[in-house]
Amino acid sequence: AQSVTQPDIHITVSEGASLELRCNYSYGATPYLFWYVQSPGQGLQLLLKYFSGDTLVQGIKGFEAEFKRSQSSFNLRKPSVHWSDAAEYFCAVGARMNFGNEKLTFGTGTRLTIIP
Amino acid sequence: DSGVTQTPKHLITATGQRVTLRCSPRSGDLSVYWYQQSLDQGLQFLIQYYNGEERAKGNILERFSAQQFPDLHSELNLSSLELGDSALYFCASSATHDGYTFGSGTRLTVV
Repeated sequence: AQSVTQPDIHITVSEGASLELRCNYSYGATPYLFWYVQSPGQGLQLLLKYFSGDTLVQGIKGFEAEFKRSQSSFNLRKPSVHWSDAAEYFCAVGARMNFGNEKLTFGTGTRLTIIP
Repeated sequence: DSGVTQTPKHLITATGQRVTLRCSPRSGDLSVYWYQQSLDQGLQFLIQYYNGEERAKGNILERFSAQQFPDLHSELNLSSLELGDSALYFCASSATHDGYTFGSGTRLTVV
């Protein structure tokens, strides 16, 4: 069974500073990988996804993530954060199964606080 | 608007009662997933339906049940409610391995 670890429960970053949120997964093969963002009281919005190919993927809102097979990691990065990036971020892993049989497993999330 | 519609947005009910949460997936999406999000348990997968058929079960209590109808909308039924069932319940849908699209959730408060 797949699993996801987000080791940082809470991260505080100054506005304009760079950001890296860590995500480690456990899965027997190359999984599907996702990052979602959740603002307070809202649903989860997909930031980016990795299926195959280029290991550096670009997403919305200026975010990117790099898949590193050797480290079983899929860390999320942004070169310069904005106050509006304050939210909860979830990493998720999906098994490569026939469509209709897969499910995503989510990490416990990292809460991002931005200070002026 | 993500295209996934959940109703109601808020629900307050008493212990022991039964409620039904509704989800309309994005047009064309065959898979519907239900998740429960609480402060102490995080985001927990409950159940998945694909084109009307149950495909996967997660940490869903026996007091909870779900179904997906021929028009692909889904309902999550929660019965004999307890205080601990208070949570955000999310529905998500997908059409391919393209990731899930989430609804804005139903906030359930059991008093």
